[in-house]
Parts: sequence; structure tokens; C-alpha cells
Amino acid sequence: GAGVSQSPRYKVAKRGQDVALRCDPISGHVSLFWYQQALGQGPEFLTYFQNEAQLDKSGLPSDRFFAERPEGSVSTLKIQRTQQEDSAVYLCASSASGTDTQYFGPGTRLTVL
Amino acid sequence: AQTVTQSQPEMSVQEAETVTLSCTYDTSENNYYLFWYKQPPSRQMILVIRQEAYKQQNATENRFSVNFQKAAKSFSLKISDSQLGDTAMYFCAFAGANSKLTFGKGITLSVRP
Repeated sequence: GAGVSQSPRYKVAKRGQDVALRCDPISGHVSLFWYQQALGQGPEFLTYFQNEAQLDKSGLPSDRFFAERPEGSVSTLKIQRTQQEDSAVYLCASSASGTDTQYFGPGTRLTVL
Repeated sequence: AQTVTQSQPEMSVQEAETVTLSCTYDTSENNYYLFWYKQPPSRQMILVIRQEAYKQQNATENRFSVNFQKAAKSFSLKISDSQLGDTAMYFCAFAGANSKLTFGKGITLSVRP
């Protein structure tokens, strides 16, 4: 079956531009997570959805970061006024429920110039 | 807050030999889950093995097994009969009641032919 997909795979933005990163979870998965992975580091939690409800956004680094999942399926992570420190790989993961194993997408590599 | 520590930044092993990757964690929770994920150079994070803290029996998946020591908060991964395809970065991760994964910094494993 289809896994988690993310688009675009690569994104180059000029500092100050807005970007939108998309995640398509595994069909039927209730829980969706976003993580940020800096080069050579482990992923760090950003936010968590259960269906359309955003249950935890404690990892979002600033108010420039915004995530939504309006219909409980596809999710979008938006970063406004991008800064160089936002350069990272953004990983999306989904699970059947909150405590089940999370399955990851290939990630979006964001480079801010 | 939970922490996950992987103190070895990199390891190397000869093909067909056995290697053990170390991980320790800290938590005040009693019910939680531990994971090892593999991230090859293509960057897709793949689940290797999962352990429920309430289970005393160590998890195994083919050539992969864990040594879970709950009292010592230790969770090491043993890879038997190492293969060239095992070359990757390996992350130890913790999930508690809040469902989000907390990752260690990872270890780069190289399998030599």
C-alpha cells in the first residue's frame, strides 16, 4: 500500500518568502506528526494532529510556523517570512492512533538563501 | 521531559559480524514505547524495531534484536550478520503518553565489505 508522501521533496526559498509543505498520510491514519531535522541531528517534534484537531503545537519554534489539517487527512506546514535558520528537512509521520508506530515520509528539504 | 542519549557518534563493523548500538533514556513515565529507526542516505526514516515498556521480553525482528533494561533505562540494538545494506544512521526514540517521538542524536553505522 501507499506510504506517507510529502511534496515538494526540495524547496529553495529566498529569505522572507513564505513556503507551504504538504503531507499525505497513510490512508485511514488518524494521527499525523511534523518533525524538523537539522543536518546531522535527530528529528525534533513540531506539532501533532489527531484527525483535524491540533492537539500539540508545543514544538513550533515561532509564530511564523503554522500547521493545519482541515479535513483530517492531508496536512500543510506553512512557514512565513522564512529565515536561514529554518533550513532543515521537514519530516511528516502518520500512525493509526496516537500510540501506534509512526511511519515517516521522505521529507522536504528546505533551503533558505 | 524525556531525554534520549546516544553517546556513540559512529561505529564500523565488518560484513557478517555482529554490532551493538547503545541508547539510554530518562523518563518519569511508567508506560511508554521505545523504537529504533534507520535512516539511509536517501533520508527515508524506516522503523527497525519497537519495544513496549510493559513487556519484559526483548523484541526481535529477524537479524535485529534489542536488550531492554527498564530499571537501567537502557535500550540497545543488536544487529547480527551485518549486511552492506545496514549502512545508515540509526536513531533511538522514545514515545510516552503524549505520543510524540523524542529522538537521540543518532549513530552512523558503516558496514565494511
